[in-house]
Amino acid sequence: AQSVTQLDSHVSVSEGTPVLLRCNYSSSYSPSLFWYVQHPNKGLQLLLKYTSAATLVKGINGFEAEFKKSETSFHLTKPSAHMSDAAEYFCVVSVTGFQKLVFGTGTRLLVSP
Amino acid sequence: DGGITQSPKYLFRKEGQNVTLSCEQNLNHDAMYWYRQDPGQGLRLIYYSQIVNDFQKGDIAEGYSVSREKKESFPLTVTSAQKNPTAFYLCASREPGQLNSPLHFGNGTRLTVT
Repeated sequence: AQSVTQLDSHVSVSEGTPVLLRCNYSSSYSPSLFWYVQHPNKGLQLLLKYTSAATLVKGINGFEAEFKKSETSFHLTKPSAHMSDAAEYFCVVSVTGFQKLVFGTGTRLLVSP
Repeated sequence: DGGITQSPKYLFRKEGQNVTLSCEQNLNHDAMYWYRQDPGQGLRLIYYSQIVNDFQKGDIAEGYSVSREKKESFPLTVTSAQKNPTAFYLCASREPGQLNSPLHFGNGTRLTVT
């Protein structure tokens, strides 16, 4: 069965410092993986997706993620945090041959001035 | 602009009343989904529909019902049988049959039942 584990429920950084949000997945097949961002009382917005074309994926707002099959990881990074990055982030895996997507429990990113 | 519209944004109901949440999309997507979000639990799938007049239960369908009479619309009814209905509800759509197609989300409806 497919599953997703977000290793940190909260991450705190200072503005201008790097961001690392960790995600590990479990999948019997080659997965598709996504990162979404959610601001308070809003829907989820797609940041980036991995679909096996390239292991380093660039997304919107300066975020990127690297797919590492040997480590079953898909960590999200950004070189320099901005106050507007404060939000909740979800890692998602797409289940092969099925219409369900499996969500992680989310990581809340706090950015201090 | 194409997108998903959920209404209302906030909804208040008394316990024991049924309530219907609206979801409309103009993305021409066949597949639509309803998720429930509670703090610290991520998103949980309530119902999904891959095509008009067809839908399947998700992981937490008890106490909920849906219909899919039109491609654009996928309303969710929260019935009085739902034990803990207060939550944030998100509707999404997606192109089916493609592993790498992402979900597109509406801005959600926050339901409070007292």
